[in-house]
Order: sequence, then structure tokens, then C-alpha cells
Amino acid sequence: DTEVTQTPKHLVMGMTNKKSLKCEQHMGHRAMYWYKQKAKKPPELMFVYSYEKLSINESVPSRFSPECPNSSLLNLHLHALQPEDSALYLCASSQSHPGNYGYTFGSGTRLTVV
Amino acid sequence: RKEVEQDPGPFNVPEGATVAFNCTYSNSASQSFFWYRQDCRKEPKLLMSVYSSGNEDGRFTAQLNRASQYISLLIRDSKLSDSATYLCVPGGYQKVTFGTGTKLQVIP
Repeated sequence: DTEVTQTPKHLVMGMTNKKSLKCEQHMGHRAMYWYKQKAKKPPELMFVYSYEKLSINESVPSRFSPECPNSSLLNLHLHALQPEDSALYLCASSQSHPGNYGYTFGSGTRLTVV
Repeated sequence: RKEVEQDPGPFNVPEGATVAFNCTYSNSASQSFFWYRQDCRKEPKLLMSVYSSGNEDGRFTAQLNRASQYISLLIRDSKLSDSATYLCVPGGYQKVTFGTGTKLQVIP
């Protein structure tokens, strides 16, 4: 199994809603990531989990709350988002972090905040 | 100097042509490099990893020039399906920074 699975694929939420994005991998990777990508821009790092512990938070607003329940799962809890948070949210995993390994990305959740 | 710099393109090339992109990086300590391709509205997919002077996989060749701190990606015999954005990423850091990407359009 060489996939990273993200759900949902699309999400529309209001600014007062609470929702969660989910990510799962079964490759035995010990590092997992959340990236945000706006149109025509490269992915921007949000969070890094290494061995289930948060190791990097790129000064992300607290309305984004990551969670790593176990080595295979990664969640991103969303609350009180703004329209400018609309973007493609990508989960990725790699064998370790930092490390000289490439990432495997999930297909992303396309989020629209209304 | 930016951490990673790429020519955004677009590179418009005919089918069958050879095309090359460059990516410059600022950290001379970088040990590993990755090329990803990203199709429109899709996730990036790992195309090639480079750990030494270069790597070759079929029509794709990556070459690393440590002295000048750039890595190139050469695509031979371009196919229509090669149309995508190609992202360069130096690896091995706490914070991995993606290049802005180079857009390739292969035309019939």
C-alpha cells in the first residue's frame, strides 16, 4: 500500500462551522505533514508530525488545529475559518523527518469557506 | 537569494522535443533533491530523487551541480502527457521548501 488517503475530497463550510480533515497512510512512514496550496502557488508547509509528536508549526493561526492520534492517522480540525483560508489542503508522509526522503502526497481536500 | 528558485515558464515545446529546467538552491549543505510533477488541480507526485551527481529514469534525467548550486531536469522526447508543473525541492531540512514550479506545456 503506497497511498496516502485524504477525506473528504471537497468541503464547503461556513465561517462558524467546525469541521475536520482526515489523512491516513499505511506505509509505515513516521513523518506526516499538512500543506496548504493556493492556486498557482507551491505547497506551503503548515505542520510536521514526527513519530506522532508535533515538531513544526509554521505559525499557523489557532483556527487550524492538528492532531495525530497514531502513526497512521493525521487530522486537521478547522474552526472559525475565513474565506481566505479557502485552498487545497494536502497531507503528505515520508519515512522520517528531517530526512533525505521524498514525500507521498494525498490527493488533497479542496476547501471552500463561505 | 531565495531558498529555491525556478523559472516559472511556461515552457511551450512541441511533441518529441527535449526540454530542460533549472532549479537553484541557496543552502550548500543540501544532500538530497527531489523533482515532483503536479498536474492541474492534483497533488504533487514524486518524479525523481537525486542523492549524488544525478539520476536517470527513462526519458527523464536529473543532474546536480553542487559547485553552482543548481539541479536540472531534462526531459527527452516530450509527450503530451508530460504537460504539468515541475516542482524542485531540496530535502533533508526541518522545513522543506518547494520551488515555485516550472510549467511545461507540450503541444501537438
